[in-house]
Amino acid sequence: LAKTTQPISMDSYEGQEVNITCSHNNIATNDYITWYQQFPSQGPRFIIQGYKTKVTNEVASLFIPADRKSSTLSLPRVSLSDTAVYYCLVGPREGGGNKLTFGTGTQLKVEL
Amino acid sequence: DTGVSQDPRHKITKRGQNVTFRCDPISEHNRLYWYRQTLGQGPEFLTYFQNEAQLEKSRLLSDRFSAERPKGSFSTLEIQRTEQGDSAMYLCASSPGSLDNTEAFFGQGTRLTVV
Repeated sequence: LAKTTQPISMDSYEGQEVNITCSHNNIATNDYITWYQQFPSQGPRFIIQGYKTKVTNEVASLFIPADRKSSTLSLPRVSLSDTAVYYCLVGPREGGGNKLTFGTGTQLKVEL
Repeated sequence: DTGVSQDPRHKITKRGQNVTFRCDPISEHNRLYWYRQTLGQGPEFLTYFQNEAQLEKSRLLSDRFSAERPKGSFSTLEIQRTEQGDSAMYLCASSPGSLDNTEAFFGQGTRLTVV
């Protein structure tokens, strides 16, 4: 499975747009990029998944350049409740949630 | 609540005791996963089931660990002769197992403390 590298932590203020970049230089052709969010004492929660270009849902956008060696999770207008750990995962999309390989994630702290 | 349910939420046990955790996945999901998470780390894969079949086990799953999903619905994870190093959050997740939906849904976890 492709290894991912993302910042250990990021700070932001309410109302700002937050972009978290993940590097995955050895991503394979059949790998998808998936982001999860985790609050303390809770299980991770799926945010978004993509293969190339741009994916947007009601929560976030995912930008993937043509070489797919990195990706950026964009959270528009964050609030205090977006304070959480964000994980970037890369792996094959094998019919519904093959085993997930989490790194250490990015701790996002949103302040007033 | 129709999400993934785990029981108990917290467990404190003495070293050497056996513990068993239960996971009830979302009802129509045929894939079920167990993960372990220690403080400051991301979840680590332990094992997964497709219906009642256990298809993969991580090397993290020593012979003291056993997981079952007897009827393809709920699952149990048992740890025998617990050690202090087993202290962690044990997370269960389920997914539909279809190409159209690759999202895994996690429960709130069982926090195990071995004293």
